[in-house]
Amino acid sequence: EADIYQTPRYLVIGTGKKITLECSQTMGHDKMYWYQQDPGMELHLIHYSYGVNSTEKGDLSSESTVSRIRTEHFPLTLESARPSHTSQYLCASSDPRGDYEQYFGPGTRLTVT
Amino acid sequence: QKEVEQDPGPLSVPEGAIVSLNCTYSNSAFQYFMWYRQYSRKGPELLMYTYSSGNKEDGRFTAQVDKSSKYISLFIRDSQPSDSATYLCASHTGGFKTIFGAGTRLFVKA
Repeated sequence: EADIYQTPRYLVIGTGKKITLECSQTMGHDKMYWYQQDPGMELHLIHYSYGVNSTEKGDLSSESTVSRIRTEHFPLTLESARPSHTSQYLCASSDPRGDYEQYFGPGTRLTVT
Repeated sequence: QKEVEQDPGPLSVPEGAIVSLNCTYSNSAFQYFMWYRQYSRKGPELLMYTYSSGNKEDGRFTAQVDKSSKYISLFIRDSQPSDSATYLCASHTGGFKTIFGAGTRLFVKA
């Protein structure tokens, strides 16, 4: 089983609040990713990181930001939550053998009211 | 046009049936082809991957890639209720970005 953790698992929060979704992995992977997944839709890459102090935006426009100060930790922050941010957020890391093998956390289901 | 297309289902089969799940893709540069399984309220987990064309077998699962027709398949033999999940196909150029299909929901009835 992959050692990648996300907290909280579920979050209901009001509009305008600042939130941070936590993601940690114990596998020592350099590459980490954040995806957004809506029911019946593809996973959309919103941020990725090649390693410490390296972060990039993905294809899906997102108002979130990420940081990578430690290899094992890749938090995602929304400065001002909106109902359009309601979604499932999945964190992943990839095996050094290849980016094709990604390990996913259990996800955070975010609802913004 | 989506780079990876997948029938969303749902697909419902009796226990013991052979299941065929399929995807098409449009990017000729894709080299790696993956199948992920996602249970309800969980993150996806890698089931199998293949490089370029051909077949790969792992227990009850067989992955098949036909690059000439840009067609990806996953076959599940002797399907079990525990196989009930959403199956995501995905492709990768060998660079950084993985493209996922929207997933096919599978129900295996006991």
